[in-house]
Amino acid sequence: QSALTQPPSASGSPGQSVTISCTGTNSDVGTYDSVSWYQHHPGKAPKLMIFGVSQRPSGVPDRFSGSKSGNTASLTVSGLQAEDEADYYCSSYAGINNRVLFGGGTKLTVL
Amino acid sequence: EVQLVESGGGLVQPGRSLRLSCAASGFAFHDHALHWVRQAPGKGLEWVSSISWNSGSIGYADSVKGRFTISRDNAKNSLSLEMNSLRSDDTALYYCAKGPGMAVAKISTFDYWGQGTLVTVSS
Repeated sequence: QSALTQPPSASGSPGQSVTISCTGTNSDVGTYDSVSWYQHHPGKAPKLMIFGVSQRPSGVPDRFSGSKSGNTASLTVSGLQAEDEADYYCSSYAGINNRVLFGGGTKLTVL
Repeated sequence: EVQLVESGGGLVQPGRSLRLSCAASGFAFHDHALHWVRQAPGKGLEWVSSISWNSGSIGYADSVKGRFTISRDNAKNSLSLEMNSLRSDDTALYYCAKGPGMAVAKISTFDYWGQGTLVTVSS
């Protein structure tokens, strides 16, 4: 199975909002409400930001929100801050044999 | 505090084997699914394998199926990945990650990650 599709880059100025998309198929994103989003600063461990499409783990600012429509999930970062600059990855359960798919990653730049 | 510490990485020749380990602490190890995720140099994250709390449910990426074996020892709070017939495209930083619950089905949530161990496959 192919990876989920994310735009390679996204950007915004401090205080602005940016949305990153994650497109799969009706075999993964479209069927399961198991989309997660991870923030990854180079050299550090990835950090869970969103799970179950739209739920935020304790400690994640409410500036981060998730949603899904059909085969496409989205991560929105509102009120951009400098520390939000990182790589962001989506993931989805993909059914057969307990497979998980990741997106190719989106590099978020805060201008 | 949840801690996941990977070890066992290194330089290995193509076709050889390597065993990665992940030592866990700070949570009820036997109550959680565990996973391996890797990142090749300059590339994105790639799911490798998952194992449920009691080893009853296991999954592998197509790229490693038949070559890699995941296992866990709940008595020792330890996760392992036995990697055989290694290829150059297995070169990556391998992360151990914890799931929020016992199961692997319908889950793509990894709530804590280790720092990773680097595997380099080269002659």
